[in-house]
This record gives sequence, C-alpha cells and structure tokens, in this order.
Amino acid sequence: SQQGEEDPQALSIQEGENATMNCSYKTSINNLQWYRQNSGRGLVHLILIRSNEREKHSGRLRVTLDTSKKSSSLLITASRAADTASYFCATVRNSGNTPLVFGKGTRLSVIA
Amino acid sequence: GAVVSQHPSWVICKSGTSVKIECRSLDFQATTMFWYRQFPKQSLMLMATSNEGSKATYEQGVEKDKFLINHASLTLSTLTVTSAHPEDSSFYICSAGLETQYFGPGTRLLVL
Repeated sequence: SQQGEEDPQALSIQEGENATMNCSYKTSINNLQWYRQNSGRGLVHLILIRSNEREKHSGRLRVTLDTSKKSSSLLITASRAADTASYFCATVRNSGNTPLVFGKGTRLSVIA
Repeated sequence: GAVVSQHPSWVICKSGTSVKIECRSLDFQATTMFWYRQFPKQSLMLMATSNEGSKATYEQGVEKDKFLINHASLTLSTLTVTSAHPEDSSFYICSAGLETQYFGPGTRLLVL
C-alpha cells in the first residue's frame, strides 16, 4: 500500500514563481527521497534526506524533513517551464537495500 | 549518477503471449533490483524484489507464476509477464542501487 500522500495532487504556477509540494508518511523511516518523472518516462532522483537531517539544498531545490510530523516538503525556486513534471516522495524504512515506498505524487505545471 | 537500462522501451502484444522485460545496471553491480508497476496518472507500486542467485520476493497480491523474475547475474534482472492479458497493460519500471535507487526508463506494455 502507499506509504503516504503528497499534496497538492496538482499544482499550476507561472514561470519564475516558487513551487512547494508536501509529503506525509506513516511509519518510521531511514531516509526520504524525492524523484521527478516526466510524462511517460523514468524517474530521476532529485535529493535524499536522512532521518537525522532537517533540511537539504541542491541547486534550486530545498527539501525539509520533520520526523515528528512525519512530513517533508520540496521547494523549487524560480521555476521554469522545464520543471513541469510529476514529483514523488518515496520513503525507505531500513538502511541497506530496501525498496522505496512511493507517495501518490504531485503534478506540477509551470506556465511560461 | 548510476545508469540503469531497460529493454524494450515499449511492446505491443496479443493476449495470451508472454513478454520479457530486461533491466540492466550498466556501471555497477546490483545484487538486488526492484520491479514496479505504474498505471496512468498513478504512483509506482512495488511488485517484487529481485535477488541475484535466489528467488524473488513478491508483494502481496502479485502472482509469482504470472510475473516471473530471474536475476541470473549481478547486472541483469528479467521480468516475464506470462500469458499477458489486457489488464496487464501498464508501465513497468525497475530500479537498482544502494541508498539511492536509480531507475530504468521504463517499459510500456500494451496487451491487445
């Protein structure tokens, strides 16, 4: 079953604006990862944040993790039309080679 | 990042036939690979964990006799959809890695 939920399910913004997507999960985790998927394509790994980390940055991406609330957020700053895609959070319960449990995803549309 | 390939990228077949999908890790060895299925506008659902040299572990509700998994080497796992039916039409995607999972580009299966 799905680990958690993303919200919003869909988000439409103008180019240059910031986009914030949230993810909630249900169980304890080892780490949480964010992925991007362009329509009909494979997943691209964006960022991994461990359970003992609270915030991480990568370029225009900022991810936060609140383990007490079992939630994470992904912020994309200064969005571009090329950022249009579906974004998924995925959790890993244990260290080592364990599968990802995906949220339902947020479909982001950035309008030029 | 690491590269995972899948072949074929898409396949159309008649109902009742079997289809084999390959997942390869190109620049690293993967003792474990994961197979996911994704229906349109939905998230990824884990189907099974492929273990090199041993039997795959299937998720609840996934028929092991219908979705045959073979992980014969450290760089190759195959998923065979046996006696495919229209309801098996989906996007199948594999992943491999350690802490960070790298995804193949996916295989779109259409069963007529």
